Amino acid sequence: EPEVTQTPSHQVTQMGQEVILRCVPISNHLYFYWYRQILGQKVEFLVSFYNNEISEKSEIFDDQFSVERPDGSNFTLKIRSTKLEDSAMYFCASSRTPTYEQYFGPGTRLTVT
Amino acid sequence: GQNIDQPTEMTATEGAIVQINCTYQTSGFNGLFWYQQHAGEAPTFLSYNVLDGLEEKGRFSSFLSRSKGYSYLLLKELQMKDSASYLCAVLYSGAGSYQLTFGKGTKLSVIP
Repeated sequence: EPEVTQTPSHQVTQMGQEVILRCVPISNHLYFYWYRQILGQKVEFLVSFYNNEISEKSEIFDDQFSVERPDGSNFTLKIRSTKLEDSAMYFCASSRTPTYEQYFGPGTRLTVT
Repeated sequence: GQNIDQPTEMTATEGAIVQINCTYQTSGFNGLFWYQQHAGEAPTFLSYNVLDGLEEKGRFSSFLSRSKGYSYLLLKELQMKDSASYLCAVLYSGAGSYQLTFGKGTKLSVIP
């Protein structure tokens, strides 16, 4: 069964450093998403992406964040200058259409020290 | 933001039935999803409702009332492995775009 994959599973970085989180969505899906979940809190929407453009973003997704689909398979989330409060689990998800169920990757746990 | 309410925690006995309720703001509603999330893992899709009524999928059923802004997830014949958080998520739309908003989740503990 096809699945969303994410790398790395765990990333430790120092405050102020840039990080890139990588995702490979399900191959026949066209809509891609990033979410984050701070430990013990709810899953929060960051951004949705379709046809090489951002279609929706939340207030969390400020100028420090960017997304890219650098090739036909990868989807990346970049945080330019990490802060302590960026420590969270980051989930990538994909779906066939924006109203279909979204399938989540296993997540990248980001720890900012 | 859009408010989605569900109980924080529930406990039920193995073999029993449990109902997890979810209420949400109806403006911009475009569908409701239930996800299961084990600790430290990703959410996994359980069910989807966009029209009123009951959707059944094995031991899991989900109900939706659009006019009341209400849904529930029904889990039958509970097993120990059903101990997890159950997330109610509503797809809201506006100006041609969509956003999936999650509730805080209901942590279900299944006891022998």
